[in-house]
Amino acid sequence: AQSVTQLDSQVPVFEEAPVELRCNYSSSVSVYLFWYVQYPNQGLQLLLKYLSGSTLVKGINGFEAEFNKSQTSFHLRKPSVHISDTAEYFCAVSENEKLTFGTGTRLTIIP
Amino acid sequence: EAGVAQSPRYKIIEKRQSVAFWCNPISGHATLYWYQQILGQGPKLLIQFQNNGVVDDSQLPKDRFSAERLKGVDSTLKIQPAKLEDSAVYLCASSLDRSSEQFFGPGTRLTVL
Repeated sequence: AQSVTQLDSQVPVFEEAPVELRCNYSSSVSVYLFWYVQYPNQGLQLLLKYLSGSTLVKGINGFEAEFNKSQTSFHLRKPSVHISDTAEYFCAVSENEKLTFGTGTRLTIIP
Repeated sequence: EAGVAQSPRYKIIEKRQSVAFWCNPISGHATLYWYQQILGQGPKLLIQFQNNGVVDDSQLPKDRFSAERLKGVDSTLKIQPAKLEDSAVYLCASSLDRSSEQFFGPGTRLTVL
């Protein structure tokens, strides 16, 4: 069965600084990987996804993630964060069309 | 295009009471999902429908939870009787089919006292 680990429950970052949110997964078969963002009192919104092909995936709002099969990681990055990026970020893995989410990382932007 | 609609947005009940949540998916989406998101955790799939049939309900506590999607469009999730540990946000999502992107509603925040 697949699982997702997000080691950082909270990440504070100064505005305009770069950020990396870490995600590691385990699965016995090939998987699809996702990052979702959840703004306060809202549902989840898809940021980006890896299905196949290039290991560097670009998403919305300037985010990107890199799939590393040997390290079973799918870390999310942004070179310069903005106040509006304050939200909870969830990494997810899809195996056999079933999504399994990590516990989330709360990104706080410090002005 | 209208998104996934859920109601109510908030609900407070006492333990042992019953509660029901409603979800209207995006028009044309055949697959509908209910997730439970407990504070500090990621969403956990409770049940998945394909049209009006259940695909996966392996993590649904069937002694107290039930869900239906009678006409293959909107869906209702019910808890009877509620326990304190049912306090969570209940998210509904829909997708065109089982392999397509899931779109999430705003969720219903349930507090059981």
